Amino acid sequence: DTGVSQNPRHKITKRGQNVTFRCDPISEHNRLYWYRQTLGQGPEFLTYFQNEAQLEKSRLLSDRFSAERPKGSFSTLEIQRTEQGDSAMYLCASRRGGIYGYTFGSGTRLTVV
Amino acid sequence: KNQVEQSPQSLIILEGKNCTLQCNYTVSPFSNLRWYKQDTGRGPVSLTIMTFSENTKSNGRYTATLDADTKQSSLHITASQLSDSASYICVVTWDNAGNMLTFGGGTRLMVKP
Repeated sequence: DTGVSQNPRHKITKRGQNVTFRCDPISEHNRLYWYRQTLGQGPEFLTYFQNEAQLEKSRLLSDRFSAERPKGSFSTLEIQRTEQGDSAMYLCASRRGGIYGYTFGSGTRLTVV
Repeated sequence: KNQVEQSPQSLIILEGKNCTLQCNYTVSPFSNLRWYKQDTGRGPVSLTIMTFSENTKSNGRYTATLDADTKQSSLHITASQLSDSASYICVVTWDNAGNMLTFGGGTRLMVKP
């Protein structure tokens, strides 16, 4: 598989529940990024990893959000005590260094009811 | 504040017609500018990437231009097809390492038969 894979594609959860999303990047890409996109808007940066190190986190990433990338391979994004405002598309992207382009996954659509 | 503004927000054209989408940015410093196509419910797919010194870049029926002096870019679509219906997102990178992106809100294009 040469693409970025995200699971699940869709998640509906009740407010207050915890959810976890998974991203499997392209295998030779050492950089991995998480973005959040609400309807009609462009993606907003959440965080990125270089290998297993989390190098940057947006202020959007409140203490209810945590991301990990153990062993520098796949990554998980967990949202604790979900709120309705968390409803969005969560996109993962990966790339090599330099100016190489980003490859995005198809996203996980989260709906908090 | 780094910003990327796109216009129009939405556009409807007839199949076979040409169209031009605009992107203005205030991002500084500037590293490169990318145009992405995003189908509904999917992740963005790269169309073009231009560095500071490049004025134009083509990818099939898509041609992007960049004026770094006026901080403007455009994406021209020639002989539109129904499959061009999507959101087109302008993205500016503002760090040399290419890790920090600012996304525009996108232009929603609908091509009608």
